[in-house]
Amino acid sequence: KNEVEQSPQNLTAQEGEFITINCSYSVGISALHWLQQHPGGGIVSLFMLSSGKKKHGRLIATINIQEKHSSLHITASHPRDSAVYICAGGVAGNQFYFGTGTSLTVIP
Amino acid sequence: NAGVMQNPRHLVRRRGQEARLRCSPMKGHSHVYWYRQLPEEGLKFMVYLQKENIIDESGMPKERFSAEFPKEGPSILRIQQVVRGDSAAYFCASSPPVVRSGYTFGSGTRLTVV
Repeated sequence: KNEVEQSPQNLTAQEGEFITINCSYSVGISALHWLQQHPGGGIVSLFMLSSGKKKHGRLIATINIQEKHSSLHITASHPRDSAVYICAGGVAGNQFYFGTGTSLTVIP
Repeated sequence: NAGVMQNPRHLVRRRGQEARLRCSPMKGHSHVYWYRQLPEEGLKFMVYLQKENIIDESGMPKERFSAEFPKEGPSILRIQQVVRGDSAAYFCASSPPVVRSGYTFGSGTRLTVV
């Protein structure tokens, strides 16, 4: 079992839909990161959370420390949001445990 | 501020050759991390370095792989005598000494071994 689990693995949505990607972790973490990777592209850090909620444009990330769970929401999804979204738990020593990613496809 | 710079973006090597991957951290970042992403798999930690010092290399294969971050110049991930199984995307990230919002990834180097 991975220390960080994401669901779903694959997600297809119609343009405009509200999207939720979930991340659960089994280790104690200092912070949780959400990353975005476009096909053949680099990795962009979207959020780093240690508590509560953060919002950036149409993206919202939440974390529940007690339940060891985080969600990434995308409002009014757009085809350019199509990418792999990766959840990563930061632990002591600046280490990270990565989820295997959620592949999102937004259809026009 | 150019961000984390990795080069080359794509690298093709024949089996048995050496591969050298370079990573220049963001300005002001003193810590560098290397990750490997095998096809259809998630990111896996390889090594964590400060200038002239390896902090954690627990994710590095025991043979053929080495990393350095010299006082001057970029961090180098070196793979000797490459094999087909080394084909992957190698990502570098950098951060200040305490990771807060400053953890930044490079665009990666895609290594293909033929």
